[in-house]
Amino acid sequence: AQSVAQPEDQVNVAEGNPLTVKCTYSVSGNPYLFWYVQYPNRGLQFLLKYITGDNLVKGSYGFEAEFNKSQTSFHLKKPSALVSDSALYFCAVRDKPSADKLSFGAGTTVTVRA
Amino acid sequence: NAGVTQTPKFQVLKTGQSMTLQCAQDMNHEYMSWYRQDPGMGLRLIHYSVGAGITDQGEVPNGYNVSRSTTEDFPLRLLSAAPSQTSVYFCASSYSPQGSSGNTIYFGEGSWLTVV
Repeated sequence: AQSVAQPEDQVNVAEGNPLTVKCTYSVSGNPYLFWYVQYPNRGLQFLLKYITGDNLVKGSYGFEAEFNKSQTSFHLKKPSALVSDSALYFCAVRDKPSADKLSFGAGTTVTVRA
Repeated sequence: NAGVTQTPKFQVLKTGQSMTLQCAQDMNHEYMSWYRQDPGMGLRLIHYSVGAGITDQGEVPNGYNVSRSTTEDFPLRLLSAAPSQTSVYFCASSYSPQGSSGNTIYFGEGSWLTVV
C-alpha cells in the first residue's frame, strides 16, 4: 500500500523568507512523487514531480523539491516566499506507473504574510 | 485549451435526490478519475477509468456510479444523495501510462456539492 504524510497542517512564513512544506511517503516499490497547489475555490495545479534522476527537482513558480530516499521524504521548498504563494499544498505518491491511483496527503495550508 | 471541464461548479441537493456531475477532457487522455476532497483528508479516489468502456472502484466508491462511453466524458452519478456526500469533487485525467511513467494528472476546477 502507498501513503503520504504531511506532518504540518499549517505553515506560516514572512514574505522573502524560505518556505518549506514537508512530505514523507511510504510505498512498496519505487515512488513517483508529485506536488500540487490549490488556490482558493480552484482546482489542483501541478507544481513538480520526481520520477527518477536528480534528487533535486525544479518546478513551476520557483518551487523545487528534494527527494531523499533514505528518509523517504520529498519536501517542497522555495528560497524566497511571496504573498501569492499562500495556498493549500498537496503531496502525492504513486508506486506504479500503470495505475492512475494517486495517494494524497491531507494538505498543508501555507500563509505568507507581507 | 480547455483541459478538464467540470459542471456544475456549485450544487445544492436535498437528501435522496440524484444528480450527475459532468466531466469532459479534450486532451485525448485514456485515464480519467473522480476524487472527493474533504477537510483534513486530502483527496480520496472514488472511481477511475483506464479507457472507454472500462471503469473500476477507488477508495470510496459507495453511493456513486460512473460510466465511460467515450474517451472524452466521465460522468459521476450520485444515486441517492446523503449529507455525507457534501464535499468538493474533482475530475482528473492523464495519458495512458503504458510504456511511460509518472504521467502528470490534470484536474478540473472542482464541483462544490452540498446535500441538505
